[in-house]
Amino acid sequence: KQEVTQIPAALSVPEGENLVLNCSFTDSAIYNLQWFRQDPGKGLTSLLLIQSSQREQTSGRLNASLDKSSGRSTLYIAASQPGDSATYLCAVPSRGNEKLTFGTGTRLTIIP
Amino acid sequence: KAGVTQTPRYLIKTRGQQVTLSCSPISGHRSVSWYQQTPGQGLQFLFEYFSETQRNKGNFPGRFSGRQFSNSRSEMNVSTLELGDSALYLCASSPPGDTQYFGPGTRLTVL
Repeated sequence: KQEVTQIPAALSVPEGENLVLNCSFTDSAIYNLQWFRQDPGKGLTSLLLIQSSQREQTSGRLNASLDKSSGRSTLYIAASQPGDSATYLCAVPSRGNEKLTFGTGTRLTIIP
Repeated sequence: KAGVTQTPRYLIKTRGQQVTLSCSPISGHRSVSWYQQTPGQGLQFLFEYFSETQRNKGNFPGRFSGRQFSNSRSEMNVSTLELGDSALYLCASSPPGDTQYFGPGTRLTVL
């Protein structure tokens, strides 16, 4: 059974700093990994999807890396802004189907 | 393209009642998945439908059911509501092998 863990559960950093969010998974036989953002009481917004054949994926100030062999992914946010405050979730699909297993999330607060 | 829409956005019910939630996927997406999000359990997979057939099911009791129509719109039903069913219910649609696109969710409160 796939288990996905995100550490830390909460993180507060001053505006402008670079930061890294961590995601680990137990079953390395994944075919992709996704990072999502969730604002309070809202749905999920897809940020980045990394295929298993990729090591990195970039979108603007966001960079996600994937190391399947170690069961880890990181989300790097450069030059953080107050608008980046949200909960960030990583998720991996189960083999052969659309079911996503989510991590517990990291609640990020950017301090102006 | 319009995003995934869910109705209603908020719902208050009492224990023992039943509820039906609706999800309209992005045009052209045939897969629709449902998730339950609670503070204690996080995001948990309920079920997935593709071309009107349930393809996958999570570990939820039989009180939770769903269906998909020929236009890919989906509904989920919860019967005999319990306090613990209070949650944000999220629907997602996807084309094959691509990311899932989530709707804004339906906030269900059971009193």
